[in-house]
Amino acid sequence: DAGVTQSPTHLIKTRGQQVTLRCSPKSGHDTVSWYQQALGQGPQFIFQYYEEEERQRGNFPDRFSGHQFPNYSSELNVNALLLGDSALYLCASSLAGNTEAFFGQGTRLTVV
Amino acid sequence: QQQVKQSPQSLIVQKGGISIINCAYENTAFDYFPWYQQFPGKGPALLIAIRPDVSEKKEGRFTISFNKSAKQFSLHIMDSQPGDSATYFCAASSMGGGADGLTFGKGTHLIIQP
Repeated sequence: DAGVTQSPTHLIKTRGQQVTLRCSPKSGHDTVSWYQQALGQGPQFIFQYYEEEERQRGNFPDRFSGHQFPNYSSELNVNALLLGDSALYLCASSLAGNTEAFFGQGTRLTVV
Repeated sequence: QQQVKQSPQSLIVQKGGISIINCAYENTAFDYFPWYQQFPGKGPALLIAIRPDVSEKKEGRFTISFNKSAKQFSLHIMDSQPGDSATYFCAASSMGGGADGLTFGKGTHLIIQP
């Protein structure tokens, strides 16, 4: 049983560019959440998707957007990249109504 | 505004000792309190979690103690082993972690010395 998988593992982008990160949830899970983890910090909640809609959003600007597909996989898009967007981006999946959230290994984004 | 405060930032414990990490929260709507373990280059892994209707939960060497009136909870690792060396995060959410985003503490870097 595959857990949460994220791609790519590492990514280097230039300031001002756009990036798309991908996540496949754990088998049987229907809810996907995205987090940003800066170096030496705890993960910060970006947003959560359920039934292909954004259900909840953290304190992140509109440059951060997402999508969930009918197979429950999800994408995180970040526009107009800033140096401060450099971080580990984590995807977590869960089953609606269940408390346990399982994390992927993350995508390390470096903005230069 | 940091809603979950975690301490200490780093901790060194001898093998076989007890590791204790503390967290305090502000939002009284929080009703789910998990602890995650993270190794370098990996995503966080759920260790143990508690709801506010109980004061303690134990799973193997890991125990959560919860004090609702003080809005505090802690992780105790008994018989700490070198393999426990990792970064530990407390977290909290309302309506269950699956229905609401998790708010994390800043983490505790734990080193178990052989």
